[in-house]
Amino acid sequence: DTGVSQNPRHKITKRGQNVTFRCDPISEHNRLYWYRQTLGQGPEFLTYFQNEAQLEKSRLLSDRFSAERPKGSFSTLEIQRTEQGDSAMYLCASSKDAQETQYFGPGTRLLVL
Amino acid sequence: SQQGEEDPQALSIQEGENATMNCSYKTSINNLQWYRQNSGRGLVHLILIRSNEREKHSGRLRVTLDTSKKSSSLLITASRAADTASYFCATEDSGAGSYQLTFGKGTKLSVIP
Repeated sequence: DTGVSQNPRHKITKRGQNVTFRCDPISEHNRLYWYRQTLGQGPEFLTYFQNEAQLEKSRLLSDRFSAERPKGSFSTLEIQRTEQGDSAMYLCASSKDAQETQYFGPGTRLLVL
Repeated sequence: SQQGEEDPQALSIQEGENATMNCSYKTSINNLQWYRQNSGRGLVHLILIRSNEREKHSGRLRVTLDTSKKSSSLLITASRAADTASYFCATEDSGAGSYQLTFGKGTKLSVIP
């Protein structure tokens, strides 16, 4: 059990560019979640997958955001045409099942200039 | 939106003292989870307490849950400098099909050596 991993750990980009983050969940965890955390706040839910199916998206997830989880393993979160307001820590979590502990990765810190 | 409200927002104690943090929430829940976050890092899971449980222990940590008052508390006994971090409570709402977590803004704990 190597834990949840995320790459890259840091990303600096210019406004208008596209960025993609990757999350590798704990193996055999069916559920994968994306959260976003801004300074001084707790994480906020963005979206979640059960296996390869994306089953819910938050209203925070604008059309510029897209997430995938091909084959139900790793997941990617892409932000198109980044804006300064997208600057935040993007956290991934996985759990074995519903109503179980969600284990978080180290996060990807995004800075949009 | 944030559901949980941690209290206090910040807490400063001497090493060896006990630290108590409180969390209030608004809806019916399946479980409540406490996490620790060191500055700029990911979240570390501490304890999960289910809605039918009233108290749980893990090492120096003690968590209580009062569903009638929609509140929880985290007690850290014999604090150490390494306990310095932000602590978040997160609720898994029973009405949310995604079983997403809803976080509060956290309590920032400083343990002075």
